Amino acid sequence: DTAVSQTPKYLVTQMGNDKSIKCEQNLGHDTMYWYKQDSKKFLKIMFSYNNKELIINETVPNRFSPKSPDKAHLNLHINSLELGDSAVYFCASSHAQTGGSGYTFGSGTRLTVV
Amino acid sequence: SQQGEEDPQALSIQEGENATMNCSYKTSINNLQWYRQNSGRGLVHLILIRSNEREKHSGRLRVTLDTSKKSSSLLITASRAADTASYFCATGDFGNEKLTFGTGTRLTIIP
Repeated sequence: DTAVSQTPKYLVTQMGNDKSIKCEQNLGHDTMYWYKQDSKKFLKIMFSYNNKELIINETVPNRFSPKSPDKAHLNLHINSLELGDSAVYFCASSHAQTGGSGYTFGSGTRLTVV
Repeated sequence: SQQGEEDPQALSIQEGENATMNCSYKTSINNLQWYRQNSGRGLVHLILIRSNEREKHSGRLRVTLDTSKKSSSLLITASRAADTASYFCATGDFGNEKLTFGTGTRLTIIP
């Protein structure tokens, strides 16, 4: 059973379009994240949700809107896609506890904007 | 901005040798974690070391943490071809679960 699953795995779209990436985890974790990995492999946090509530919102254009319908799902909607949005987007989850814990990552969604 | 800088950026060794990767960071941390990323795949959590710990082992992995120098090292002993991957350190903040990732080391094991 896949622990953190993202769909789609690949997404090719034209500039200006709107697209969504879905993420689901079956680990019972209470915190979920979206990370962006650029072409140089830099990983940067975008958003974090704990029990459906937004707790981290880094400096991300407001074209990116996360939605968490329940604590097992965190979707990412992107409006008016730009060339610079091309990257691999990773969803992850963890169980928040004192002292921190490891993340479980999904396999990523490779977004290409043309 | 990236919290961690990893050294070296790339490392190639013969199978069976030991591989050492280093990570330096800038601010106080709650914990430091290491992850592996195979090409085209997601990251896999390897090991977590808390700020009050100095060394931790897991199988062929050994991690050290020196909070006075704000640095950590990951040692992989008796390397195997399957260890070929990128390795990232990540620092955990106090009070939340946010992880800030380093720049990564690309490790290649030559059979």
